[in-house]
Amino acid sequence: DVKVTQSSRYLVKRTGEKVFLECVQDMDHENMFWYRQDPGLGLRLIYFSYDVKMKEKGDIPEGYSVSREKKERFSLILESASTNQTSMYLCASKTGTAIYEQYFGPGTRLTVT
Amino acid sequence: AQTVTQSQPEMSVQEAETVTLSCTYDTSESDYYLFWYKQPPSRQMILVIRQEAYKQQNATENRFSVNFQKAAKSFSLKISDSQLGDAAMYFCAYRFIGGGADGLTFGKGTHLIIQP
Repeated sequence: DVKVTQSSRYLVKRTGEKVFLECVQDMDHENMFWYRQDPGLGLRLIYFSYDVKMKEKGDIPEGYSVSREKKERFSLILESASTNQTSMYLCASKTGTAIYEQYFGPGTRLTVT
Repeated sequence: AQTVTQSQPEMSVQEAETVTLSCTYDTSESDYYLFWYKQPPSRQMILVIRQEAYKQQNATENRFSVNFQKAAKSFSLKISDSQLGDAAMYFCAYRFIGGGADGLTFGKGTHLIIQP
């Protein structure tokens, strides 16, 4: 089974802090994604990566950056956390073939105070 | 741009009954995939069912089936013999068939409550 793990289930940070959210997948997937989930808004794509060191902006990249130095690991970075970034963050991965099913991690609930 | 609309923020059904969750989408593409994902409380999001737009036959997975109406751009999920474990947020999602590693486009979700 595909396994996608995220470094923390719950995280509390202060405004202005630099925050790292880590995601690791164990199926040698080429593509990885970061989504943000908010009540009443569904999931919105922040960034995705289709290969090591390659990244593309999603629908809501403002205030975020990403890093993919190894194939299995995709990090989401909040350079200076703000209260409006309080949310659930979901990581996902998929194979690079034409099968579009994505496999999700358990999510990180981030609270910025 | 593609959009996915789930018009039912919340649905409630008695255990053992059948419930249908609605999803409509807007796209100019002719080839695409549609998905239903389930997110149980505090648990991982998992794929329930997938439909390829070029297939006329509706997808089924045990108690879960879809009603795919391509012309109407409608993709509803039917859950038969509802069980307590079906209680979750359900998200409809879309992805066109083509290059790139773009993410899925999701609806806002439907919260399904199962009454014992």
